Amino acid sequence: GAGVSQSPRYKVAKRGQDVALRCDPISGHVSLFWYQQALGQGPEFLTYFQNEAQLDKSGLPSDRFFAERPEGSVSTLKIQRTQQEDSAVYLCASSSQESLFNNEQFFGPGTRLTVL
Amino acid sequence: AQTVTQSQPEMSVQEAETVTLSCTYDTSESDYYLFWYKQPPSRQMILVIRQEAYKQQNATENRFSVNFQKAAKSFSLKISDSQLGDAAMYFCAYSGGGGADGLTFGKGTHLIIQP
Repeated sequence: GAGVSQSPRYKVAKRGQDVALRCDPISGHVSLFWYQQALGQGPEFLTYFQNEAQLDKSGLPSDRFFAERPEGSVSTLKIQRTQQEDSAVYLCASSSQESLFNNEQFFGPGTRLTVL
Repeated sequence: AQTVTQSQPEMSVQEAETVTLSCTYDTSESDYYLFWYKQPPSRQMILVIRQEAYKQQNATENRFSVNFQKAAKSFSLKISDSQLGDAAMYFCAYSGGGGADGLTFGKGTHLIIQP
């Protein structure tokens, strides 16, 4: 596809369950970002990959959150033992090699996670 | 740490009129980027306009322009000839100048277009 895609678009989990959210970046984009957007708030940075290397994970809120990008393309954000406060929209963004100089990021539609 | 503040939770403008959305930020860096993103109800975040801090000239993109005041750390967005399709949440965002950095967003301004 031409843009960033994310799946699933909606996820409902019971408290304590593990979830996995997938991001397919724009083909060829080297950088990939995850953000968490709570209701009525702006997105907050979680983590950043350049190719397969996770260069910044300073925004991950706890050790229950884990992200990977093993082949430098698709990325998965995993949340273990979900809590109600994890309910949010999770946004993925990617940027090209050229965008390393201006940090233009292209966003996916997001995954809305609801933890009951 | 950098912070971005949008003091207008909601703005309303008549179709074809002009509206200005405010944004202030705090940083100790001298080299950085500022962005305005639009997020329609479908949730896909779209880049509206970008400003490099080292450029004195204000960025413009068709009906969208910014007023970048570096000393005051202010970065407002002006939308001219407002259209119904402009209705959305608008987020101001900051990025450091060291290459690909995570964006720091404000809380957003909900823009309503009155027909």
